[in-house]
Amino acid sequence: ETGVTQTPRHLVMGMTNKKSLKCEQHLGHNAMYWYKQSAKKPLELMFVYNFKEQTENNSVPSRFSPECPNSSHLFLHLHTLQPEDSALYLCASSQGGSGGGEKLFFGSGTQLSVL
Amino acid sequence: AQTVTQSQPEMSVQEAETVTLSCTYDTSESDYYLFWYKQPPSRQMILVIRQEAYKQQNATENRFSVNFQKAAKSFSLKISDSQLGDAAMYFCAYRDSGNTPLVFGKGTRLSVIA
Repeated sequence: ETGVTQTPRHLVMGMTNKKSLKCEQHLGHNAMYWYKQSAKKPLELMFVYNFKEQTENNSVPSRFSPECPNSSHLFLHLHTLQPEDSALYLCASSQGGSGGGEKLFFGSGTQLSVL
Repeated sequence: AQTVTQSQPEMSVQEAETVTLSCTYDTSESDYYLFWYKQPPSRQMILVIRQEAYKQQNATENRFSVNFQKAAKSFSLKISDSQLGDAAMYFCAYRDSGNTPLVFGKGTRLSVIA
């Protein structure tokens, strides 16, 4: 089983729907991240959780709501999304607290399409 | 704010040949880390190589090596003996020595021609 697992792999939703993305890591890490990957743009950091506490919110619209119930699980709740929110959403984890050189481990992402 | 620039949106290389991917960055810090991540069609990003700015010696990992020019703020990736499995998006990334987030470039799509 891979270290970081994301579900679903693909998601199509209407603008009025509510859905959730799930991320689970089996590496014993203490930090988890949500990134947004859009075509021809750098990866955008959305949220960071360290030891279950949110330590970074990169000016993300409130229609994206993260949840970290424990150090192994991370959710991204979606509601009233816009077509421009269509993108690949990547989850990552790291040891946490090890400084700038620590390695991030990524999942395979959820490809989201908003109609 | 720190920025990372990858000036080559696409590159191609013949199998078994060598290719160099470019990356420049902007920072006022003296202590930081630089990374190259690979994203194959499976979409899962994987760390290829990491360089600590205070180390003058260029990092190497098997067929992958970097040319780190601190004064020029340049961090290029060299792939030797290219293989079909090297075909992927390659992202250059920067991070301060503290617990600040990674900053990524836009990526370079590498094709390997058999």
